[in-house]
Amino acid sequence: GAGVSQSPSNKVTEKGKDVELRCDPISGHTALYWYRQSLGQGLEFLIYFQGNSAPDKSGLPSDRFSAERTGGSVSTLTIQRTQQEDSAVYLCASSTDRGGVGGVTEAFFGQGTRLTVV
Amino acid sequence: RKEVEQDPGPFNVPEGATVAFNCTYSNSASQSFFWYRQDCRKEPKLLMSVYSSGNEDGRFTAQLNRASQYISLLIRDSKLSDSATYLCVVALYCGATNKLIFGTGTLLAVQP
Repeated sequence: GAGVSQSPSNKVTEKGKDVELRCDPISGHTALYWYRQSLGQGLEFLIYFQGNSAPDKSGLPSDRFSAERTGGSVSTLTIQRTQQEDSAVYLCASSTDRGGVGGVTEAFFGQGTRLTVV
Repeated sequence: RKEVEQDPGPFNVPEGATVAFNCTYSNSASQSFFWYRQDCRKEPKLLMSVYSSGNEDGRFTAQLNRASQYISLLIRDSKLSDSATYLCVVALYCGATNKLIFGTGTLLAVQP
């Protein structure tokens, strides 16, 4: 498809279980972001991948959260031992970056994964 | 201090009103600026880029003040369909790459 694809669209899991969320960015986009959005709240930055550079993990809320991006394309966000406060919509975005000042134009978002921990 | 700050609102305005949102950013190395729109239960989408000289797109006008490190969005003749959350976005140029930083958004509710 032409856009950013995320799966699953909805996930209900039991507290304590591990979950994996997948993001398939737009082909050729070098930058990939994960955000979290709780009900009625703003976007919370989680992690940022840019090409072959080391990812910016500064937004990950705890060591239960990890993410990887294989081959510069698909990314997986893993949450271990899920807690109820992890319930949120997890959004992935990708963009091109031509490098240099002003090299980024627009980030495209997927429709998100709605995670519910019960 | 947050890198990008916005008044969360809500801004409740009648149809036809003019409404303005401001956003401040903390890092003077920020180089590109955008406004995104997010409808309820939808993903954010680009509304418009913000250029140094200011720019207009129909009823929407965006301005940048680098000296004071803020950007603004003005919506004229508000429509019911303008009701959404407006996100201020800054691209920080660092280490040869550009990182997008999102504000938490301002909620606009246009009333009939």
